Amino acid sequence: NAGVTQTPKFQVLKTGQSMTLQCAQDMNHEYMSWYRQDPGMGLRLIHYSVGAGITDQGEVPNGYNVSRSTTEDFPLRLLSAAPSQTSVYFCASSYLQGIMNTEAFFGQGTRLTVV
Amino acid sequence: SQKIEQNSEALNIQEGKTATLTCNYTNYSPAYLQWYRQDPGRGPVFLLLIRENEKEKRKERLKVTFDTTLKQSLFHITASQPADSATYLCALDNAGKSTFGDGTTLTVKP
Repeated sequence: NAGVTQTPKFQVLKTGQSMTLQCAQDMNHEYMSWYRQDPGMGLRLIHYSVGAGITDQGEVPNGYNVSRSTTEDFPLRLLSAAPSQTSVYFCASSYLQGIMNTEAFFGQGTRLTVV
Repeated sequence: SQKIEQNSEALNIQEGKTATLTCNYTNYSPAYLQWYRQDPGRGPVFLLLIRENEKEKRKERLKVTFDTTLKQSLFHITASQPADSATYLCALDNAGKSTFGDGTTLTVKP
């Protein structure tokens, strides 16, 4: 099993450009989520999904879109990049036991710089 | 407002001692709480999950307690080693989503 795979690992964007961060998992997890982590801070939830076709907003959703067409993939789209979106982005997946979110498996992260 | 606070940004201890990390929360009613380890440049790695009806959980040298009255979880690493040096994050259940604290960076000196 590869676990959670994120691509790319590094990206530099110009202000106003758009791009998609890819996330794929091979563990058949229902729950997938995207976080951003700024220096010295914890993880802040951007968007999440409890299954294919179902997505919802987290704590900091503005400027980002997601879709979940398959169980395996959960791409994050930056619509018009801004310097405030410079951060490290983590994708995670986990099983759901009822409504309980079990241990999360994280990808290695994408370091995004917007200039 | 909802808040998660982890004790001091950095914790330095001597090898062999017990490290105790704190996670306090306000205005949450978590059904469970998780602890993760994060090394520089890497994603967090799951360590332990403790449910609201559990007082304590252990895994090898790790012990977690969960006091829903005090709204606090304590994370202990016994017989600490330099390899335990990392940032440790607590994560609360927040209506099925996980909300993370800012983390505590632990340094274990030989």
